[in-house]
Amino acid sequence: DAKTTQPNSMESNEEEPVHLPCNHSTISGTDYIHWYRQLPSQGPEYVIHGLTSNVNNRMASLAIAEDRKSSTLILHRATLRDAAVYYCIRPDKLIFGTGTRLQVFP
Amino acid sequence: DAGVIQSPRHEVTEMGQEVTLRCKPISGHDYLFWYRQTMMRGLELLIYFNNNVPIDDSGMPEDRFSAKMPNASFSTLKIQPSEPRDSAVYFCASSPNPSDASDSEAFFGQGTRLTVV
Repeated sequence: DAKTTQPNSMESNEEEPVHLPCNHSTISGTDYIHWYRQLPSQGPEYVIHGLTSNVNNRMASLAIAEDRKSSTLILHRATLRDAAVYYCIRPDKLIFGTGTRLQVFP
Repeated sequence: DAGVIQSPRHEVTEMGQEVTLRCKPISGHDYLFWYRQTMMRGLELLIYFNNNVPIDDSGMPEDRFSAKMPNASFSTLKIQPSEPRDSAVYFCASSPNPSDASDSEAFFGQGTRLTVV
């Protein structure tokens, strides 16, 4: 089963870029990588997903390594509202790991 | 669409009582997932359905837990009898087709906070 590994926590200052890493070394060639985040007292929400190419949307960017063994979620300018737990997962079973708790300081 | 709707939002019950949590998925979504979240264990997948059929219930912790999906617009998670260690937030999520990346965004409800005393 393809598992993902993320740091437990990260910190950032407001308005600074944040790079959240994820290792998925056992991912298969056809598995997409999805990112979700969970704001305090809410259910998880979808952020972005990708397969091989870098992806951008209004919330974030996703940079996927050439060998696909890792990816990085990029928040270009962190805000206080971005403080959350960020999860990278395989989408087929929606199995979540422990995620990365992002703290944003004013 | 109002999104995934869970009820109740909060439930407090005494040990030994039966508890039923309810979920209404987004219309047209074929997949429905039930999760349990605690500080100690994080977000655990309990069971998921495809077209109302349970596909994988390996995450259901004990026989006290059961889930049903009688139709495409309704699912229940039942705990009988409930125990204090069942206290957690229970989330329901629905997805069009998680294996189809073009259409695989999952939507979560607001959760039900269960407290068993």
